[in-house]
Amino acid sequence: RKEVEQDPGPFNVPEGATVAFNCTYSNSASQSFFWYRQDCRKEPKLLMSVYSSGNEDGRFTAQLNRASQYISLLIRDSKLSDSATYLCVVNLFNYGQNFVFGPGTRLSVLP
Amino acid sequence: DVKVTQSSRYLVKRTGEKVFLECVQDMDHENMFWYRQDPGLGLRLIYFSYDVKMKEKGDIPEGYSVSREKKERFSLILESASTNQTSMYLCASRIEGQGWGYTFGSGTRLTVV
Repeated sequence: RKEVEQDPGPFNVPEGATVAFNCTYSNSASQSFFWYRQDCRKEPKLLMSVYSSGNEDGRFTAQLNRASQYISLLIRDSKLSDSATYLCVVNLFNYGQNFVFGPGTRLSVLP
Repeated sequence: DVKVTQSSRYLVKRTGEKVFLECVQDMDHENMFWYRQDPGLGLRLIYFSYDVKMKEKGDIPEGYSVSREKKERFSLILESASTNQTSMYLCASRIEGQGWGYTFGSGTRLTVV
């Protein structure tokens, strides 16, 4: 099993739809989780951190499920500008300070 | 704004050439990283550095070396370029130990012919 896994997609959704992605991680000792966004031909940029209690930032909601070892990202009322690849980032305990990037899930929001 | 600058956006090199990819950050970050990104494989860590003159192998260090003589500069070296090293190379810097703090450069698209 890979350390961090994501459904590569693509997820093709119409504008205004709600879409959710999951990211599973293998190490139950992982402590820190993040979502990054990467636009086509651009570098990844931080979208949001994922807190144990779940957190929301506008149309975006991030959640952590420790029992099942996954994090999720929910996007409500999708906009065309949400089209991007979404990377989850997990701190794996045995990597010390290092964080592992998932392979990413590609989202296309269609008009 | 933190800036991470990679010296070249596009690069074409011949098989067997020695290739230098340069990365400079201006925010005094301790940690710097080199990744390569390929379709379907995501970001794979080549090397990282916690501080000046310190380096650690990542997941795919074979065929690469790095140099960090100054805090702001982290160089990736392809000792003898091969076609399977054709890829997008991304440099990143980060505040010590902070997963939220990665700042990436805009990438170098390297083609080895």
